[in-house]
Amino acid sequence: SQQGEEDPQALSIQEGENATMNCSYKTSINNLQWYRQNSGRGLVHLILIRSNEREKHSGRLRVTLDTSKKSSSLLITASRAADTASYFCATDAGGSNYKLTFGKGTLLTVNP
Amino acid sequence: DTGVSQNPRHKITKRGQNVTFRCDPISEHNRLYWYRQTLGQGPEFLTYFQNEAQLEKSRLLSDRFSAERPKGSFSTLEIQRTEQGDSAMYLCASSGLAAYEQYFGPGTRLTVT
Repeated sequence: SQQGEEDPQALSIQEGENATMNCSYKTSINNLQWYRQNSGRGLVHLILIRSNEREKHSGRLRVTLDTSKKSSSLLITASRAADTASYFCATDAGGSNYKLTFGKGTLLTVNP
Repeated sequence: DTGVSQNPRHKITKRGQNVTFRCDPISEHNRLYWYRQTLGQGPEFLTYFQNEAQLEKSRLLSDRFSAERPKGSFSTLEIQRTEQGDSAMYLCASSGLAAYEQYFGPGTRLTVT
């Protein structure tokens, strides 16, 4: 079963605008990761934030984590057409196998 | 750079047939995962190997499914007596022993007619 939900399910913006996607999850986590999936490159890891971190940056990406609300957000700044993809949050609940539980994803369309 | 590879990329089979998929992980990665993804959903965990040992199986993995990873290298996922509900994208991922980030292959899309 899916661990969480991304919100919105779909988002359409113009190139240069910022895109914000949210993720909520249900159980305690060890870390939370964001992945991107498009038909060209499959599923690609973007960024990881640990449960004791509140914010993390990587290039044009900013991730926040609020463990008290069991939620995370992914901000993509100055979006490009190439950012068009589905974005998934994935949680690792701890334990030794590091298996991931994914949400349903947000489909982002960046219009040129 | 040899990432994770999966073969075949597409498989169309008739209900009741057996199918086998192969995954070649990144060579130095000890951990190997299989996930299944249906349209409009995120990937769902199926099973996990550490080296050659299969350490966890999801309840999604019915008795018709079997996975192996001989010698801790490539892995195979076999589905026996396929059903239409097995139609999905089957994804393989690998990671290093102490790493959380997983590297995914392109997937095998299975269509059961």
